[in-house]
Amino acid sequence: GNSVTQMEGPVTLSEEAFLTINCTYTATGYPSLFWYVQYPGEGLQLLLKATKADDKGSNKGFEATYRKETTSFHLEKGSVQVSDSAVYFCALSDQDDYKLSFGAGTTVTVRA
Amino acid sequence: ETGVTQTPRHLVMGMTNKKSLKCEQHLGHNAMYWYKQSAKKPLELMFVYSLEERVENNSVPSRFSPECPNSSHLFLHLHTLQPEDSALYLCASSNPLAGGISEQFFGPGTRLTVL
Repeated sequence: GNSVTQMEGPVTLSEEAFLTINCTYTATGYPSLFWYVQYPGEGLQLLLKATKADDKGSNKGFEATYRKETTSFHLEKGSVQVSDSAVYFCALSDQDDYKLSFGAGTTVTVRA
Repeated sequence: ETGVTQTPRHLVMGMTNKKSLKCEQHLGHNAMYWYKQSAKKPLELMFVYSLEERVENNSVPSRFSPECPNSSHLFLHLHTLQPEDSALYLCASSNPLAGGISEQFFGPGTRLTVL
């Protein structure tokens, strides 16, 4: 079956620090990969996505590259802000499947 | 209204009460989902509806009863809940039958507290 493993938090950083959240996956087919973000008191929002190997998704300064050889989709941001404090979820969707398989989520706190 | 909306945003209920959560999507999608998000636990998929038919029920207790009267609306009827059912309930929608990426769009959630 499909599964997603992401690094456990919480992660605490200072403003302008570099952020990496590791995500690896197991899938039977050729999945699409996603990063979702959940700000305090809100639902999940799609942050970025990639549909095939070597695709790079990017949004709001965040990037993640679909690495088929290492089955990974690590999230990175070069200089975080306090407003990036949130919970980040890695997820995958198999072709022709309604479901998303989510990682456990990583809580990120950025201090001023 | 745009996107996915959920009402109420907060709900406190006793174990003997009956209440309903409502979700509405304004995106023209054909699939809708209920998730449960509890503290320190992974996101749990509860129900999936496609074209108003339930296509998945992940062993959810019968005290949770979903209803999808049309492709834009999804309800979760609650009765005789337990304190451990307190959680954030998230609704989502997507358009998997359109082909391509089946990314899901989420509502803001209903924070449920069972006393």
